[in-house]
Amino acid sequence: NAGVMQNPRHLVRRRGQEARLRCSPMKGHSHVYWYRQLPEEGLKFMVYLQKENIIDESGMPKERFSAEFPKEGPSILRIQQVVRGDSAAYFCASSPGTGGDIQYFGAGTRLSVL
Amino acid sequence: GESVGLHLPTLSVQEGDNSIINCAYSNSASDYFIWYKQESGKGPQFIIDIRSNMDKRQGQRVTVLLNKTVKHLSLQIAATQPGDSAVYFCAENRSSASKIIFGSGTRLSIRP
Repeated sequence: NAGVMQNPRHLVRRRGQEARLRCSPMKGHSHVYWYRQLPEEGLKFMVYLQKENIIDESGMPKERFSAEFPKEGPSILRIQQVVRGDSAAYFCASSPGTGGDIQYFGAGTRLSVL
Repeated sequence: GESVGLHLPTLSVQEGDNSIINCAYSNSASDYFIWYKQESGKGPQFIIDIRSNMDKRQGQRVTVLLNKTVKHLSLQIAATQPGDSAVYFCAENRSSASKIIFGSGTRLSIRP
């Protein structure tokens, strides 16, 4: 049973470009979460999705950031017109349910904005 | 506001000794707590969890203690090994909520 798969592991973008981060949840999991981690800090919640629905996006910046979890395929976190402050590690987690279910994390995507 | 915090940012332990990592939380409504281990360059790895109707839970070499009176959580690692070197996060996830709220982490280093 493969774990949560994220790709790419490392992503380098220049300011103004777009970044697309992908996440495939564990088999049997229908709940996906995205978190951001700055160096030497804890993870900060961004968004929670189920298939074709955004359930909670209270941690998402209002502009340039979007997320989706289509019926088929991985969940995508999209950052438009990246700025240097977007440089961070982005982690995806999945769970079979929510609210008290264990969330299992992927290895993350490290985004560097030049 | 709600928060999950840690008492010490770093902890150095002799190999073979027991490690105790502490965590404080402020939200009385919190009813589910998790400890994660994060090694360098990797994602958080689930260690152990505990619900608010319990005050102690044991796993393999790890024990989590919950004191709801003082809103304190601790992780005990028995016979600490070099492979235990990592950053440890306590986190809160309420049954009615979806997101995990992470503390800032404690870095555990092992002395040979």
